[in-house]
Amino acid sequence: DAKTTQPPSMDCAEGRAANLPCNHSTISGNEYVYWYRQIHSQGPQYIIHGLKNNETNEMASLIITEDRKSSTLILPHATLRDTAVYYCIVESTGANSKLTFGKGITLSVRP
Amino acid sequence: KAGVTQTPRYLIKTRGQQVTLSCSPISGHRSVSWYQQTPGQGLQFLFEYFSETQRNKGNFPGRFSGRQFSNSRSEMNVSTLELGDSALYLCASSLNGQAFYGYTFGSGTRLTVV
Repeated sequence: DAKTTQPPSMDCAEGRAANLPCNHSTISGNEYVYWYRQIHSQGPQYIIHGLKNNETNEMASLIITEDRKSSTLILPHATLRDTAVYYCIVESTGANSKLTFGKGITLSVRP
Repeated sequence: KAGVTQTPRYLIKTRGQQVTLSCSPISGHRSVSWYQQTPGQGLQFLFEYFSETQRNKGNFPGRFSGRQFSNSRSEMNVSTLELGDSALYLCASSLNGQAFYGYTFGSGTRLTVV
């Protein structure tokens, strides 16, 4: 079972920041937070991951709370192409780690 | 670099038949994972292969099987197809299977069972 909970959907205006929340209250010390997204009919795409520090790359920023029980994915300037299902996943780094997908959050970017 | 290649893209089969799907991972990646995606159940993990060995398995019946070749290419097979097997089948390529190093997914094979 997925270890995260996300609201089912949200929307934002094109050009504005999209802040996607995720709760992972049972996260363990060695578990990372990963974000993937899936644009309609394509395979999921890796976005970013982090352990406890905030992370930023060319696609997004990941803000993890100090207690690590929740996180927020930030798309700084959403475009119509960012409309997708976004999955927040918690997983360890062991050899048997695998991505367990929940239902994700559907982000709709409106013009 | 070339991405993950899944073939075929689309497939229509009849109940009771069997099907084989193929996945070619990114060069240098030794792990291939398979997922089934349906509207009702979402993305579900089928199994993972690493260096030709199944290392991890999801909760699917024995009709679902797979293998991996020495060049890391993988195939999955579904025997005695049922209508409920209609789904998008995705494979994910990774360096060694650890989520930390990232998974790259293919575009999937859309299987329709009639």
